Amino acid sequence: GAVVSQHPSRVICKSGTSVKIECRSLDFQATTMFWYRQFPKKSLMLMATSNEGSKATYEQGVEKDKFLINHASLTLSTLTVTSAHPEDSSFYICSARDLSVSGNTIYFGEGSWLTVV
Amino acid sequence: AQSVTQLGSHVSVSEGALVLLRCNYSSSVPPYLFWYVQYPNQGLQLLLKYTTGATLVKGINGFEAEFKKSETSFHLTKPSAHMSDAAEYFCAVSEISNDMRFGAGTRLTVKP
Repeated sequence: GAVVSQHPSRVICKSGTSVKIECRSLDFQATTMFWYRQFPKKSLMLMATSNEGSKATYEQGVEKDKFLINHASLTLSTLTVTSAHPEDSSFYICSARDLSVSGNTIYFGEGSWLTVV
Repeated sequence: AQSVTQLGSHVSVSEGALVLLRCNYSSSVPPYLFWYVQYPNQGLQLLLKYTTGATLVKGINGFEAEFKKSETSFHLTKPSAHMSDAAEYFCAVSEISNDMRFGAGTRLTVKP
């Protein structure tokens, strides 16, 4: 079964509103989670690294004030898209590293489809 | 930082033919390498991964990949393609303390 859960799987919001996506590790504690974005027919692009109890590390070109990341506990990271615009419509997917398993095991969530209308 | 290059954005094979998807990586330390498959409108599914040990890695659905350090490659193969193999395939590299970086993806089409 899934070990990383994302919610919601699909969301439609109006332009100008904010939407929050949750990423939960179900069977392990994740001090580090990663947020990716995928444009249609494109690869996954790392947006930011979410660190429990500290500020996220954003990749170059990603607006930190627009894509707010909070990692308040060892099992939950949230991505909030603020003042959403149609160009923010995309597939967002998170992953979490399970350090208790050897071999750098990374689990991905099921992804969240965001449509901004 | 680590990076991945996938050669060929689109590969087309006939059903029953060999599947070969190419991946080359760049890493400053011994890497961990992954292949993921993505079906339309779905998330990622791990096919296989290389961490340490045996360089020939077997995954799900009959896929395998071989880590070749001298060639910095991690090509994905399957002896006989099925129609159900049609999907997008992503190669990824990770260094133990870093995030995962993905290649641009290769779309596999399987012709009857």
